[in-house]
Amino acid sequence: AQTVTQSQPEMSVQEAETVTLSCTYDTSESDYYLFWYKQPPSRQMILVIRQEAYKQQNATENRFSVNFQKAAKSFSLKISDSQLGDAAMYFCAHNNNDMRFGAGTRLTVKP
Amino acid sequence: DGGITQSPKYLFRKEGQNVTLSCEQNLNHDAMYWYRQDPGQGLRLIYYSQIVNDFQKGDIAEGYSVSREKKESFPLTVTSAQKNPTAFYLCASTYGRDYGYTFGSGTRLTVV
Repeated sequence: AQTVTQSQPEMSVQEAETVTLSCTYDTSESDYYLFWYKQPPSRQMILVIRQEAYKQQNATENRFSVNFQKAAKSFSLKISDSQLGDAAMYFCAHNNNDMRFGAGTRLTVKP
Repeated sequence: DGGITQSPKYLFRKEGQNVTLSCEQNLNHDAMYWYRQDPGQGLRLIYYSQIVNDFQKGDIAEGYSVSREKKESFPLTVTSAQKNPTAFYLCASTYGRDYGYTFGSGTRLTVV
């Protein structure tokens, strides 16, 4: 079964600085998809960024980018120019036939 | 606007009672999913359905049941056999695995 591990239960960043959230996963498949979701206090799950495993180029979405290392099964999220609105729980997810989530990282942004 | 609607937002249940959580989508998505979220444990998969009249168990299906009679609807019943049902429940849907999931706003179930 696929598993997803987020080793940082909590992270903190100063406003306007950069922070990286870690994620590793385990799978025997070669073709799959990876995602980062944001869950603010409203608890609505919001898709932040997605990565296709067969693409070597790292995905970017404005201030959000990933460092995808397929051989190491690592998929970290970098948030640049952090804003107060970035404060939330962040979940890494792996999708083959169904999506499995990590335990999450709670990000605090300090003004 | 297209989306997923979960109802009710808050639900209270007495021990020994079954309760059904509603999930409706108007996105024309084929696949639908139910997740449970507990503090510190992320989201755990309860059941999923990839087509009408078919569904599969996820990792924590015991004490839960589902049906998929219509493409738009995927209700979840929490039965009295579920030992610890108090949790936040999220429903999701998708066209396919590469699109990511669209989530509803969730139902908070509390057993009293």
